[in-house]
Formats: sequence, C-alpha cells, structure tokens
Amino acid sequence: QQQVKQSPQSLIVQKGGISIINCAYENTAFDYFPWYQQFPGKGPALLIAIRPDVSEKKEGRFTISFNKSAKQFSLHIMDSQPGDSATYFCAATAGGTSYGKLTFGQGTILTVHP
Amino acid sequence: DADVTQTPRNRITKTGKRIMLECSQTKGHDRMYWYRQDPGLGLRLIYYSFDVKDINKGEISDGYSVSRQAQAKFSLSLESAIPNQTALYFCATTSGTLGGYTFGSGTRLTVV
Repeated sequence: QQQVKQSPQSLIVQKGGISIINCAYENTAFDYFPWYQQFPGKGPALLIAIRPDVSEKKEGRFTISFNKSAKQFSLHIMDSQPGDSATYFCAATAGGTSYGKLTFGQGTILTVHP
Repeated sequence: DADVTQTPRNRITKTGKRIMLECSQTKGHDRMYWYRQDPGLGLRLIYYSFDVKDINKGEISDGYSVSRQAQAKFSLSLESAIPNQTALYFCATTSGTLGGYTFGSGTRLTVV
C-alpha cells in the first residue's frame, strides 16, 4: 500500500518556468514532510521540509505548499534552471521531533530545457 | 571521505548466490536504514536499526537480512539472490531530529 502518492512521474519544463510536483498522503499521523533531490549517481539529499502547522515554506526558489485538510502538499520550483534537472521525492513521517522512518513517494524526474 | 560509504558501488551476481552490501557512516548517528529504489516505485524501506541492539523490518524485508556490527556499520545481505532483487540500494543515517537523512551514493545490484 503506497501511503504517499506522487505525481507526475516525469516533468519537462523550459528554463525560467515553474515546476510543480504534487503529493498526497493517507496517514493522518504524518507530521513532517520533507522533499529530497537526487542527481544521477548520487543518493537523495534533503532539499526542503515542512511541518503541518504552516501552509507554506519558502527557501530561495523552492516552495512547499501544504493543505492539511486535503492531505496534500506540493513542491514549486520557481525560475527553473537546467541545474535543477534531477529526480525529486516527497516523503512523510510521524513522530514529532524525533522521527523514525520516512515513507517516500514514487519520485518525479524533472528535466529543465535550456 | 563521504559521510555514508557504501560498498560495492556496482555488483553483478548470479541467481542463487549470497551477496552482502556494506554501509559505514561517520556521522555518529544511531539510526541507520536500508532502502531499495526502483523506477516508478520510489524508495522502499527494507530494514532499519535505531541502535546496535535494535533491528526492525521495513515494508519489503522478505529475501533480505541485516547485521548491525557497530554503531557505524550496517550490512544488508541477500541470502539467495533472485532477478527481481535487481535494483539500486541505498543506506542512510539520521540523528532522528529534523535534520534529514544522509544517504550513501548507492549500490547498483544486478542479479542475472
């Protein structure tokens, strides 16, 4: 059972455009929602994360929007650059400030054309 | 040196063979994890360990076993490899606070 569903599976964006990746979760106990970025040949790396007590978090060109009632959250990449081309994973976990295991979405392969 | 080191980076093995994937970390964290990555399926948890004496099954533990030899070392074994275990395997560690996981660079395993 996939507890975190991610879409789209792949995304192609022109340089300067906005990339949007969506995730939906089922487990209402989840209370921490990170996004990971993975380049070819590398392991995933933490990009940005949000707690459900806020509806939006922004770090540079990356923004997470969170809708607790809909159990959905999304990653927006503004002014997308070719260097943003990577695989992105949303994830979720429960446990307050001491979380144990992450449940990941299926991943989105983002390609940004120059 | 990398914070999380996985060996080997690539491995081709035959069906029925036993194989061990190794992971070591220099972060000093207690929590370690093994994930498997398949296209379209994301990362799925195989096993995890919160300290040397604590081992827990993840969502896809069948066909795998682990050993936590020390705080810094966590190995994954395939007792009798089968082709559908062909995948990219990642080891990760975390302190358990909201600092995120640190992943290794992965082991690409092919079972023929």
